[in-house]
Amino acid sequence: AIRLTQSPSSVSASTGDRVTITCRASQGISNYLGWYQQKPGKAPKLLIYAAFTLQSGVPSRFSGSGSGTDFTLTISSLQSEDYATYYCQQYYGYPLTFGGGTKVEIK
Amino acid sequence: QVQLQESGPGLVKPSETLSLTCAVSGSSISSRNYWGWIRQSPGKGLEWIGSINQSGNTYYHPSLKSRVTISLDRSKNQFSLSLTSMTAADTALYYCVRGGGVAAAGQTGPVNWGQGSLVAVSS
Repeated sequence: AIRLTQSPSSVSASTGDRVTITCRASQGISNYLGWYQQKPGKAPKLLIYAAFTLQSGVPSRFSGSGSGTDFTLTISSLQSEDYATYYCQQYYGYPLTFGGGTKVEIK
Repeated sequence: QVQLQESGPGLVKPSETLSLTCAVSGSSISSRNYWGWIRQSPGKGLEWIGSINQSGNTYYHPSLKSRVTISLDRSKNQFSLSLTSMTAADTALYYCVRGGGVAAAGQTGPVNWGQGSLVAVSS
């Protein structure tokens, strides 16, 4: 199975900060990676697919980059509604796998 | 807008079989899509269980393959999960999703999610 390693596992940041989360795959997955946001008590929400394509309705402060084994999710200016846990997910091959998550907390 | 709603028992006894159903609205399960199940253990991350496409082809997580069955009910526009021999380790929030295929099949990962169905395993 393809393993996805996210870092950091948690980050404390203030509103307006730039936040960067990384996801490393155990083998090359081209750009077949998505990013999800999960708030407490809610289902995950797709933010980005194909490594950098913004899902409809997602604010432009979210961006993704990367290809192969190394990927990044960036929030350019953190807003109060962005405090959540973020997961990467690969759909290059079965079994589909997720990263361990990165919790973005209020500093 | 595609909406999914899980239904099933909140409590299952050890060694019994879990049966969950996902009712789909806003899309036909016979349309060109994948439909899947993902679970999340308390305080832990996300684990893909398996998926089924509109043709009925199924794909399961290797660690669960011997215990899992996913099926379509086209007459009711819903799909189901069956997980046998339940143990405490299967206690989790179970989500049904639209998506769950791989890029080679033109998929982009799970797009729409149900609200989740909490399942506890206890005698």
